[in-house]
Amino acid sequence: DIQMTQSPSSLSASVGDRVTITCRASQSISSFLNWYQQKPGKAPKLLISAASNLQSGVPSRFSGSGSGTDFTLTIISLQPEDFATYYCQQSYISYSFGQGTKLEIK
Amino acid sequence: EVQLVESGGGFLRPGGSLRLSCAASGFTFRNHWMHWVRQAPGKGLVWISDIKHDGSSARYADSVTGRFRISRDNAKNTLYLQMNSLRAEDTAVYYCVRGGDGYSFDFWGQGTLVTVSS
Repeated sequence: DIQMTQSPSSLSASVGDRVTITCRASQSISSFLNWYQQKPGKAPKLLISAASNLQSGVPSRFSGSGSGTDFTLTIISLQPEDFATYYCQQSYISYSFGQGTKLEIK
Repeated sequence: EVQLVESGGGFLRPGGSLRLSCAASGFTFRNHWMHWVRQAPGKGLVWISDIKHDGSSARYADSVTGRFRISRDNAKNTLYLQMNSLRAEDTAVYYCVRGGDGYSFDFWGQGTLVTVSS
């Protein structure tokens, strides 16, 4: 099984900040990496597929990069609605998610 | 508008059975792989099963193999999850999810809660 490890597990930031969340796979997954945002009590929402492909309707302040085993999600100029939990997911062999990164308001 | 509406969740005792349904609309259901993903209270996301667009192939996570069965009715635009021999650790919100480009999960239902407790 492919293990996905996100860091940090939690993060405090302020509106307007730039934040980066890292996701590491236990083996190479090429670019089969997706990012999701989940708000409390809601279903997850797909933000980025294939490591860097921003989904339609997702603000351009979100971006993804990486390939192989190391990936990042970057949010520039944080907005109040961005405070949520973020999950990475590999879809190279079966599917597995990272443990999540909770982004909180400082 | 894509919609996925789960139903069938509830409370039951260990060893019991339950069937979840997911009614799909707003897209051509028969063209998409479909998935079930669950989330235990306060925990992360776990993929548990998927089914090919025509229903000819299905896969399961080790934790549910032999106990859960995924199926679909493309004429009714509905996805199912038959859950047997339920355990306390199966307690979770179960999400119906559409397979998207790049093997992503591009639309999610609102989820249905399954609680297994003695």
